[in-house]
Amino acid sequence: RKEVEQDPGPFNVPEGATVAFNCTYSNSASQSFFWYRQDCRKEPKLLMSVYSSGNEDGRFTAQLNRASQYISLLIRDSKLSDSATYLCVVVANTGGFKTIFGAGTRLFVKA
Amino acid sequence: GAVVSQHPSWVICKSGTSVKIECRSLDFQATTMFWYRQFPKQSLMLMATSNEGSKATYEQGVEKDKFLINHASLTLSTLTVTSAHPEDSSFYICSARDTGALGAEAFFGQGTRLTVV
Repeated sequence: RKEVEQDPGPFNVPEGATVAFNCTYSNSASQSFFWYRQDCRKEPKLLMSVYSSGNEDGRFTAQLNRASQYISLLIRDSKLSDSATYLCVVVANTGGFKTIFGAGTRLFVKA
Repeated sequence: GAVVSQHPSWVICKSGTSVKIECRSLDFQATTMFWYRQFPKQSLMLMATSNEGSKATYEQGVEKDKFLINHASLTLSTLTVTSAHPEDSSFYICSARDTGALGAEAFFGQGTRLTVV
């Protein structure tokens, strides 16, 4: 089993749609959680951190369920510019902090 | 915000030669840096964890003698691809987190696109 698993994608949605990404992690000792965005041929960039209380940043909402070891990202009112790969990222203390990436979910937003 | 600088951004080399990639944290110290490789249409795969002042920790399946990592200071880690082959052509990215800052995001270098011909 992979340490971090994401929806396989790709997701093809029209502008204005709401899209949800899911992610599960296997290490119960994981301590920090993030969603990153990666555009083609570019390095990943932080989209938002994920907290147990849930957090929202404009059209983006992230949720963490530690009991289920599950993370989600919701994008409302999708824009063309949201087209990218979204990476679920988990930092686990495995004798040193290690950052593990999910395989990513590709999102295509179409006009 | 914190910045990680990676150099070079792209390199083309001949088979059998070695290529060195540098990763620097510009405004924070990082006792640990991470090296990733990404093949086209695939996710980032952790290759190794670079530890300042000690040996790197390699992920399963990554040849430590082929991918030499040196982390001589708190702000610099280098990855040397030795005796490069065409199958080593890939996008290599480093990342670093502020030392001891639990919950801190990882900052990424710009990546190095290596093409071995």
